Amino acid sequence: EIVLTQSPGTLSLSPGERATLSCRASQSVTSYFLAWYQQKPGQAPRLLIYGASSRATGIPDRFSGSGSGTDFTLTISRLEPEDFAVYYCQHYGSSPYSFGQGTKLEI
Amino acid sequence: QVQLVQSGAEVKKPGASVKVSCKASGYTFTSYAMHWVRQAPGQRLEWMGWINAGNDNTKYSQSFQDRVTITRDTSASTAYMELSSLRSEDTAVYYCARRTTGYEDWGQGTLVTVSS
Repeated sequence: EIVLTQSPGTLSLSPGERATLSCRASQSVTSYFLAWYQQKPGQAPRLLIYGASSRATGIPDRFSGSGSGTDFTLTISRLEPEDFAVYYCQHYGSSPYSFGQGTKLEI
Repeated sequence: QVQLVQSGAEVKKPGASVKVSCKASGYTFTSYAMHWVRQAPGQRLEWMGWINAGNDNTKYSQSFQDRVTITRDTSASTAYMELSSLRSEDTAVYYCARRTTGYEDWGQGTLVTVSS
């Protein structure tokens, strides 16, 4: 089973700043099957990035994904107030389709 | 547009079973897999299993292997997740999610509370 470890656990930033979130896999992950999600309290997750670097439909271009192998990054170039949430990475290439433990992005 | 509408909240006693439904609309139901994910309070998302809505094949997480059953009714465009032998640790929000490139569409979630 692939274990995904996200860092940091909490990231405290201000609107307008740049956020860099990390996701490290316990073994190599096919980039095609690495996704990032945003979750706000009381809501279902929302797909931001799939295939490690492709933005999902309707996702602003301030969100970008990169990485390969075991190290992946989600970057938010200029934080907007609505971006403060919890972010999860997930691999979905082969079961079990595990998630990271999440990074809370707070003001 | 794609919609996944789940059944309402449930309260169950330990040892009981729960069956959550997920009604799909806005796309061809049998063309996509439906996955189930749960989230205990304050915890990470946890993948439970999936069903190929076209051919009824299923795959389950080893963590739930003996307790979870995912089914579908193509005539109703609905997927179901049944979890048996419930315990307090199963208290969580249960989501269905349509698998495309990642989980593009999610249900609104169903809170299942297990309490004596």
